Amino acid sequence: GQSLEQPSEVTAVEGAIVQINCTYQTSGFYGLSWYQQHDGGAPTFLSYNALDGLEETGRFSSFLSRSDSYGYLLLQELQMKDSASYFCAVRDDGNNRLAFGKGNQVVVIP
Amino acid sequence: DTAVSQTPKYLVTQMGNDKSIKCEQNLGHDTMYWYKQDSKKFLKIMFSYNNKELIINETVPNRFSPKSPDKAHLNLHINSLELGDSAVYFCASAGTSFEQFFGPGTRLTVL
Repeated sequence: GQSLEQPSEVTAVEGAIVQINCTYQTSGFYGLSWYQQHDGGAPTFLSYNALDGLEETGRFSSFLSRSDSYGYLLLQELQMKDSASYFCAVRDDGNNRLAFGKGNQVVVIP
Repeated sequence: DTAVSQTPKYLVTQMGNDKSIKCEQNLGHDTMYWYKQDSKKFLKIMFSYNNKELIINETVPNRFSPKSPDKAHLNLHINSLELGDSAVYFCASAGTSFEQFFGPGTRLTVL
C-alpha cells in the first residue's frame, strides 16, 4: 500500500517560519511535489524535488531526503495570504501519477 | 485566459441520477487527470489520459466513465449517483514538466 503522513494543523503569526513535514511510503518514487490549496480553491503547484537537497523559490523552500523517505516545505516570512492547506504528493510512476498526503492546514494570525 | 476550466461549478442532484462534468484545457498539454477530493480534503487520483489514451485507472466503481474526445478535453460521466459520490471533483492537466494545473473544481452534492 501507499501512505503519506502529514501533521494536520499549525497556527503561526505573520512573519514567522513554518515547516511542514511529509514522510512517505510508496511503491515507487520519482519525486515529491508540494501544492497549496486555499479554502474553496484549486490546488496550485509550489515545488518539486526529484533529488536530495533543498530547492528555494522565494519565501518557500522544499527539501527531500530519499534515503529517509522524508521531505519538508518551509514557509518563511509568513503572510496572511499563506493561510491555506499544503499537500505533499509523491510522483510514484512514470505517468506523472501523484499520490497526495492528507494535507496540513496552516493558519496565519496577525 | 482560463487554463483549465470545468463545468458545472456546482452540481446538486438526486441519488440514482446520471450526470456529467466537462473539462477543457487550453495549455496544449498531452495529459489530463480526474481527482476526487472528499470532505476531509483527501485528494485522490481517479483517471488519467495521455493524448486521448487511458493511462491511469484507479480502483473506481465502473459507474464512473471518463471520455476524452481530444487531448484538450476530458469529461467524466457518473451513472446511478450515490450519496458517497458527494465530493469536489478536480480536473488537471500536465505537459512535459511535473507541474499539474488544476481546474476550479466541481462540487457535487448527491441528495
